[in-house]
Amino acid sequence: DGGITQSPKYLFRKEGQNVTLSCEQNLNHDAMYWYRQDPGQGLRLIYYSQIVNDFQKGDIAEGYSVSREKKESFPLTVTSAQKNPTAFYLCASSQGGGFEQYFGPGTRLTVT
Amino acid sequence: GQQLNQSPQSMFIQEGEDVSMNCTSSSIFNTWLWYKQDPGEGPVLLIALYKAGELTSNGRLTAQFGITRKDSFLNISASIPSDVGIYFCAGQGIGNEKLTFGTGTRL
Repeated sequence: DGGITQSPKYLFRKEGQNVTLSCEQNLNHDAMYWYRQDPGQGLRLIYYSQIVNDFQKGDIAEGYSVSREKKESFPLTVTSAQKNPTAFYLCASSQGGGFEQYFGPGTRLTVT
Repeated sequence: GQQLNQSPQSMFIQEGEDVSMNCTSSSIFNTWLWYKQDPGEGPVLLIALYKAGELTSNGRLTAQFGITRKDSFLNISASIPSDVGIYFCAGQGIGNEKLTFGTGTRL
């Protein structure tokens, strides 16, 4: 089955630690995206990548970093510089800009 | 950046009732998408609209791309318990490779 996987589903970290969230897709999509969702809020774009080895900052990139070394993978690192990292993180992919985005199941990160 | 106003923010309905919600934008969009999100899960794409005036159905769901290209509507007919969730609209502006999301309608 084609789809997007995110792991783990729940992640707990101590303040000051970096943490990396995984996102893999086997849809052969060129573009991948990371969003952050806070309770009762819409989705805010963190980073996106239209092609391997290239990515752009979204609206709230500060305190986050990404890499796109393979077409199917787009890991997100939440660094200790992110002031309020506890949130629900969603990864998405699409054929390219302008096409429908399909979402993974999300990772809930809790930092204490 | 672009703003999307989605209304209503929440609604309570009886099983069997029809539901209507809408999104309005401050600027013209080329694409409108409607998603449903269940608690703790990722959004699932319901309907995609690409042309002004377009009316598209997916089972009991019907969505329309507004003629002005600044709004979109989603209707759910004969609602059932599994329709409960949060519905998000998303739009893509001209020359913009990113989506802008509404704040959601909680049903």
